[in-house]
Amino acid sequence: NAGVTQTPKFRILKIGQSMTLQCAQDMNHNYMYWYRQDPGMGLKLIYYSVGAGITDKGEVPNGYNVSRSTTEDFPLRLELAAPSQTSVYFCASSYSRHLGSGNTIYFGEGSWLTVV
Amino acid sequence: KQEVTQIPAALSVPEGENLVLNCSFTDSAIYNLQWFRQDPGKGLTSLLLIQSSQREQTSGRLNASLDKSSGRSTLYIAASQPGDSATYLCAVLVANAGGTSYGKLTFGQGTILTVHP
Repeated sequence: NAGVTQTPKFRILKIGQSMTLQCAQDMNHNYMYWYRQDPGMGLKLIYYSVGAGITDKGEVPNGYNVSRSTTEDFPLRLELAAPSQTSVYFCASSYSRHLGSGNTIYFGEGSWLTVV
Repeated sequence: KQEVTQIPAALSVPEGENLVLNCSFTDSAIYNLQWFRQDPGKGLTSLLLIQSSQREQTSGRLNASLDKSSGRSTLYIAASQPGDSATYLCAVLVANAGGTSYGKLTFGQGTILTVHP
């Protein structure tokens, strides 16, 4: 059972380039999330999905796009990368939105992205 | 808008000490509150979760309390060990008007804990 898997682990982008961060979970979870974490800060929600074909914006969605064509995968697309997008990106998943006992949120190990 | 603040930002203690990490939130309409541990280069692991109707939760040497009316939570670590060194994050799950949640966590900035031998 791999849990939540993110790729790549590290990436350096030039300003204006585009890329996709991949996220996959094998727990048959309905809910998936993308967070970013800037140095010394907490995590902020970028986008989330409540099931295949359904996505919605979080707190900081500008400059990103997502899709959810399958239950397992939730890729995050960065268009026209900017230095402000230098951050650590975490993907997470849960069975339902009512996080609690028996319904834990699981995080991937993160993707370190630097835009230069 | 919900805001979560953690104090202190960093803490360094000798092994064996009991310690307290603090978390405060501005909106008491929460569904629950979680404490996470984050190791360098790794993701987050949930340590303790307190539902809004609960006062505290315990797991081993960890005890978390919740005072929803004052917007505060504390994480108490007893007899600290070097293996406890990590960043500890507090996060609240905001409740919606129906009393359930949207599943979106609001995080504090974390407390970096170092326990030295």
